[in-house]
This record gives sequence, C-alpha cells and structure tokens, in this order.
Amino acid sequence: DSGVTQTPKHLITATGQRVTLRCSPRSGDLSVYWYQQSLDQGLQFLIQYYNGEERAKGNILERFSAQQFPDLHSELNLSSLELGDSALYFCASSVGIQTSSYEQYFGPGTRLTVT
Amino acid sequence: AQKVTQAQTEISVVEKEDVTLDCVYETRDTTYYLFWYKQPPSGELVFLIRRNSFDEQNEISGRYSWNFQKSTSSFNFTITASQVVDSAVYFCALSERSGGGADGLTFGKGTHLIIQP
Repeated sequence: DSGVTQTPKHLITATGQRVTLRCSPRSGDLSVYWYQQSLDQGLQFLIQYYNGEERAKGNILERFSAQQFPDLHSELNLSSLELGDSALYFCASSVGIQTSSYEQYFGPGTRLTVT
Repeated sequence: AQKVTQAQTEISVVEKEDVTLDCVYETRDTTYYLFWYKQPPSGELVFLIRRNSFDEQNEISGRYSWNFQKSTSSFNFTITASQVVDSAVYFCALSERSGGGADGLTFGKGTHLIIQP
C-alpha cells in the first residue's frame, strides 16, 4: 500500500458527461501528479500541483482540469467526455516539487469507462 | 525532447531463469533521473528504483539489479532466478532537471514479463 488513495475505483459514464476523480496524497507529501494510462497512448503525465499551486502541465486536454485543495487532496475534472477518454487515471504524490529528486508513489488508480 | 524506449513488448521465461529488461532513453540534459516501476496484475504502480545521471554504479537489491550505461543511454533491469510473482508490466521512466525540475515522468511503453511455473 503506497499510502495514496483514489476514489472512485471504477467509474462508468456516458459520452458528453463530466466526472470528478479524487486523490489523497501520502501524509506529508506536497506534490500531486495526475497520469493517464491508455492502451494506445501508454502512461502519460497530465499535470502536477505543489502545495496548492499548478507547477507543470503535460499532455492534458483543455476539457480536463485539476486543482489541489488546502488539505492537499486533489481532484481531476474531466468534461465533455469522449470514448477515447476511457483509461486508467493514476494519482501520484511525492514530498518535494522536483520530479527528479523524489520518487513518486502511485495510488491504485481510477478506471474510467465512457460508453 | 525526452524519450524512453522499451523495445521488448513481452518476455516469457520459465521460473528460475534470469531475465533482463531493456531501457534506452533520449535526453538533451546532462542532469536527469531514471526510474523503474512495476505494475502487477492488480494494476497499481510500484516504485522500484531511482538513479541520477551522475551515478553510474550498478545497483543490486536482492534478486533485482540495474545496469546504467551513459555511453549507450541505457538503464537495464535484470531479475535473477525469476519467480512467478515477478510477472508484471515493468516501466522505465525519465525525468529531466531542466525547467526547475517541476514536471512529470516520461514513461516507456512497458515490458510485459511473464514468468511461467
């Protein structure tokens, strides 16, 4: 158990809908990362927050947004969902801001299915 | 741009055999970090190792060992005396220090390792 929690574990929704994925980092970790894992794109970095502020953006679509709250939990919002958004979404956390300097610990993921 | 290549899509070996998973990376930075993660059938990603670009010493942890060669831009992972529990998808990843280091990991496509009893 990495100490990172994600809810829900599974989510099934229809095209055009909006969903929110939630992540609680390990105790003491200030950085939260979101990744998407799909069959065709593999594991892709979406976005990083550090202590409530956005720090880095990867291949995140404009339909997606995230935020990190004062208690350090984070939410990833996916809107106008398309079939291609079906994927496993991981949250990871680390103690520091620099990806290179600290290992990231991953949550169990949220499997999103868009029908 | 940074890139990680894991050319072996799938490897199947019999238990107790040694197996090496290849990882080749591309980066323009002189300072960077390499990682290996394991994704067992249950789906979570498990951190295995982090290595910086200035430390080319090989590392051994039990049955696991890593060979980092800057000259060939490779960071290979060997499992000695493999066990069925080693069956998983293994990912190699890279992080550069440029831009303040605030970024995510760049992952390879992964190698699916199957250990047959």
